[in-house]
Amino acid sequence: DAGVIQSPRHEVTEMGQEVTLRCKPISGHNSLFWYRQTMMRGLELLIYFNNNVPIDDSGMPEDRFSAKMPNASFSTLKIQPSEPRDSAVYFCASSLREGEKLFFGSGTQLSVL
Amino acid sequence: QKEVEQNSGPLSVPEGAIASLNCTYSDRGSQSFFWYRQYSGKSPELIMSIYSNGDKEDGRFTAQLNKASQYVSLLIRDSQPSDSATYLCAVNGGSSASKIIFGSGTRLSIRP
Repeated sequence: DAGVIQSPRHEVTEMGQEVTLRCKPISGHNSLFWYRQTMMRGLELLIYFNNNVPIDDSGMPEDRFSAKMPNASFSTLKIQPSEPRDSAVYFCASSLREGEKLFFGSGTQLSVL
Repeated sequence: QKEVEQNSGPLSVPEGAIASLNCTYSDRGSQSFFWYRQYSGKSPELIMSIYSNGDKEDGRFTAQLNKASQYVSLLIRDSQPSDSATYLCAVNGGSSASKIIFGSGTRLSIRP
């Protein structure tokens, strides 16, 4: 299995632009998570899905952030409009079942100038 | 109070010694506990998972869980320079088995 696949690996954009991060979970995993990691705040849970349904989005910073999971093999995290404070590493992770270990993608390093 | 708390370190341990990493959590209903290792610039990778009180050993690693004290720890025996990394404690939310919350991590440095 190829593991969790994220794209792009790096994204540099200007303030105000729309950013879309993509994730393909491990086949057969039914839970998908989006995390954001910064030096100041550590690894923060943004949103997670079970069976493609968003369960908890309380970690999404504000309305500029949205996430979708149209099918079991694809999810997106969108930021519109982006701001410099959104600069961070965004990780996608999946697990086979609820409460089980997470497998992380390689992350997307986002820089908003 | 943070949901999962760790000492940020850095924790410096001589090569060959035992490194002890600690974590406390706030949700008494939590059932699943994990330790992840993260090298600089890389993604977190699972080292240990533990679900019941007591010790669980895997090679040089031992995870310890005390639900009454809401405390989980990781011991690394015979520490190697390759163990130098940030160690993240993760706990599932008691009210939602799926929700996995991470501590801020402890930086561990193994000195030769």
